[in-house]
Amino acid sequence: TQLLEQSPQFLSIQEGENLTVYCNSSSVFSSLQWYRQEPGEGPVLLVTVVTGGEVKKLKRLTFQFGDARKDSSLHITAAQPGDTGLYLCAGIRTYKYIFGTGTRLKVLA
Amino acid sequence: DVKVTQSSRYLVKRTGEKVFLECVQDMDHENMFWYRQDPGLGLRLIYFSYDVKMKEKGDIPEGYSVSREKKERFSLILESASTNQTSMYLCASSSTRNNEQFFGPGTRLTVL
Repeated sequence: TQLLEQSPQFLSIQEGENLTVYCNSSSVFSSLQWYRQEPGEGPVLLVTVVTGGEVKKLKRLTFQFGDARKDSSLHITAAQPGDTGLYLCAGIRTYKYIFGTGTRLKVLA
Repeated sequence: DVKVTQSSRYLVKRTGEKVFLECVQDMDHENMFWYRQDPGLGLRLIYFSYDVKMKEKGDIPEGYSVSREKKERFSLILESASTNQTSMYLCASSSTRNNEQFFGPGTRLTVL
């Protein structure tokens, strides 16, 4: 059973556009993480959000944790080709990490 | 520079062979994990270990076993490889002090 659904699954946009990726669940998590994975590499942690309603910014990336701690979003402003990759959310429950289905982003120059 | 290394980047095996995937971390992390990654399914947890000689089943342990004899090393074993175990295998480690997982580069296993 996949507990974390991400949307969209694929996204291809032009450089300079904005985009939002969603991560949704029916379960509550103690915290939620976002990772980015580039071809041939393992995922790399971008951010951890812990408190319901929390918003964190990492340069052009804005992460939000839902008030009920069941969902999250990632917004990228003025996307650049370097943002291309697979974005994964992961909900944390005790020691277990439950990963989302992934969003594959391609930013065209 | 922190590092998680995996023994092979690419591996091709035949059905029925015994397969060992090795993972080593140099961060003195207590927790180690094995995932498999398939398109459209994200990462699925196979096994994890929170201490030497300790192991816990993840979501898809069938057909796999693990070994953790030393803190820095976590091995994934396919006792009798099957074609449906063709996948990308990712190892990760984390500290009990925070929740950041560090991943290795992955092993792409093909079972013919």
